[in-house]
Amino acid sequence: GQQVMQIPQYQHVQEGEDFTTYCNSSTTLSNIQWYKQRPGGHPVFLIQLVKSGEVKKQKRLTFQFGEAKKNSSLHITATQTTDVGTYFCAGNSNSGYALNFGKGTSLLVTP
Amino acid sequence: SAVISQKPSRDICQRGTSLTIQCQVDSQVTMMFWYRQQPGQSLTLIATANQGSEATYESGFVIDKFPISRPNLTFSTLTVSNMSPEDSSIYLCSVGDAQGRIDTQYFGPGTRLTVL
Repeated sequence: GQQVMQIPQYQHVQEGEDFTTYCNSSTTLSNIQWYKQRPGGHPVFLIQLVKSGEVKKQKRLTFQFGEAKKNSSLHITATQTTDVGTYFCAGNSNSGYALNFGKGTSLLVTP
Repeated sequence: SAVISQKPSRDICQRGTSLTIQCQVDSQVTMMFWYRQQPGQSLTLIATANQGSEATYESGFVIDKFPISRPNLTFSTLTVSNMSPEDSSIYLCSVGDAQGRIDTQYFGPGTRLTVL
């Protein structure tokens, strides 16, 4: 079955440094989504990427979807303490089916 | 996005008992899902709750252990049966986009279950 791998598992940065998490799928995805889960909270939808090579930005966050639609990345520029949390990628091979989540990258930002 | 509530928000249960978790959505949605998130882990899909028919379970999850109801388009329940400490986890329901696009999911606040 489809597997979604995500690295790194943990990342500790100083406030102001950049951060990137990477997601790879064993199969071609119809779309990929990114979620953020704050400590003690539930996953919150950030963005969905559908097109091959797509790049989307949300303020300091940049999301990319690979040309082969098998990998994706989330890059945060100049991290802030409010960025703390676990970032999950999630994909599905068939549009409309339930999501396969990566293991997540836990980001810690120290002032 | 849909507003999703879950009851209970947390519970501590004894081994061998069962707990039913409720998920209520403020609008009709086509797709509802149940996930489990063990401490410090990712989300694992348990099943898709189908309105008017039996739920569709993922590999490793069975109806006898996790019976699911979906009586209408705004409500679902998940029962964790004959619990053991290994069932201690956060259980989350999620729904597809309320506008009918089912790719994007929105999660409820979760039910934190501890089994002693």
